[in-house]
Formats: sequence, C-alpha cells, structure tokens
Amino acid sequence: GQQLNQSPQSMFIQEGEDVSMNCTSSSIFNTWLWYKQDPGEGPVLLIALYKAGELTSNGRLTAQFGITRKDSFLNISASIPSDVGIYFCAGLTSGTYKYIFGTGTRLKVLA
Amino acid sequence: DTAVSQTPKYLVTQMGNDKSIKCEQNLGHDTMYWYKQDSKKFLKIMFSYNNKELIINETVPNRFSPKSPDKAHLNLHINSLELGDSAVYFCASSPRLNGGNYGYTFGSGTRLTVV
Repeated sequence: GQQLNQSPQSMFIQEGEDVSMNCTSSSIFNTWLWYKQDPGEGPVLLIALYKAGELTSNGRLTAQFGITRKDSFLNISASIPSDVGIYFCAGLTSGTYKYIFGTGTRLKVLA
Repeated sequence: DTAVSQTPKYLVTQMGNDKSIKCEQNLGHDTMYWYKQDSKKFLKIMFSYNNKELIINETVPNRFSPKSPDKAHLNLHINSLELGDSAVYFCASSPRLNGGNYGYTFGSGTRLTVV
C-alpha cells in the first residue's frame, strides 16, 4: 500500500536552532497536511497545503508542497522547548477519502 | 468545550473480554474516523463514517465493529480482545469526507492495554 516516509526519524537539537524535516512518497498527492502530536494527546493540525510549489507559514513554521507532488517539507525556525513532540505529514490522493499518515519525526529540543 | 471527546482515556482489560470506546464531536462535522496508533507511533485508519454511513473499512478484524447512532457519535466495539489489540485508538472528525481545508480534528486518544 501507499507509504509516506519521513526523515529524519528523530532529532535532538539545541534551543534556538532551525529544524528541517521532510516527507516523501512514491505516489502523487493532491493535499499535504502537517500535524504535531504532544505526549498523551492527539495530533493537531499545523499547516495544510493544496497545490504544488505552495509555501505556507504558521508562525515559526513553514511548509512547502513539493513540485513533483510526491514530497513535502516542514521547517521550524528558532526552536523552543515546547516544539518537542512528534511531527506527522499526511497526504491525500485524488479520488480517495482517507489521509495516509507518515512515519513521524520525533523532535527533542535541548534547552 | 472539547471538540472531539473520547472515553475512556485509559482501558486495561483481560484477553477475551469485550469492550467499547465512545467518541463524540460537537463541531457539526459530517465525517468521523477511528485510527489506531501502534507502539511505533504509526497512525493507521480503521474506519470512517459520513453522516452515519460507513465509507472506509480497512483490513480490520471483524472483532472490531464501529457504530454511528448519529453523525456526532462514532463508537468502537471490540470483541474477544487480543494482546495485539493493545494500542492507542484515536477518534477524529472532519467537515466532510476528504477533510477539506481543516484536515482532521483528533480526540486525545484511548490507551487500550490488553493483559
């Protein structure tokens, strides 16, 4: 079945550093979503992307819909301790009614 | 006000038992979902309902039976629980079938432990 691979799988960074992560697939997607999951909670939507090349920001977060439509990227600038959590991408293909979730990137911020 | 609420938050039960997890959303959304998150944090869809109609039924053992009495509720009943059913189960909702501009709104999860 379809699979979304996220990279890196986990990362430790220092507070104040910028973070980059990506999500890749062998399939083409029409919509990309980025979620964050805090411990003991459900995922919360951060950013939604709807067309190839689109670049969208939400505060310190910026996400891009890859030109090939097979990938997406999330950047976090000037990380803070509360950025810790698991970041998931999710993709939706044409004609389907379900989002496929990525494998997740676990982010830990060292103060 | 909690948008998507699940009960219980934690559920510990013995193998072979039957249990239910309840989910309610007060967002006025048409579509609701059940996702399973395993120990590696992979999120996999199990079911989706749109206006009480079953839309997605992934390859899930028929011991799992969803029930949607109305579009604001989607409950999950599990028969003859097995050790491998241990996971966190998330309920989610969206305005319409493909999530639209808002993606899914998730509940806080039910951690099921089968012993």
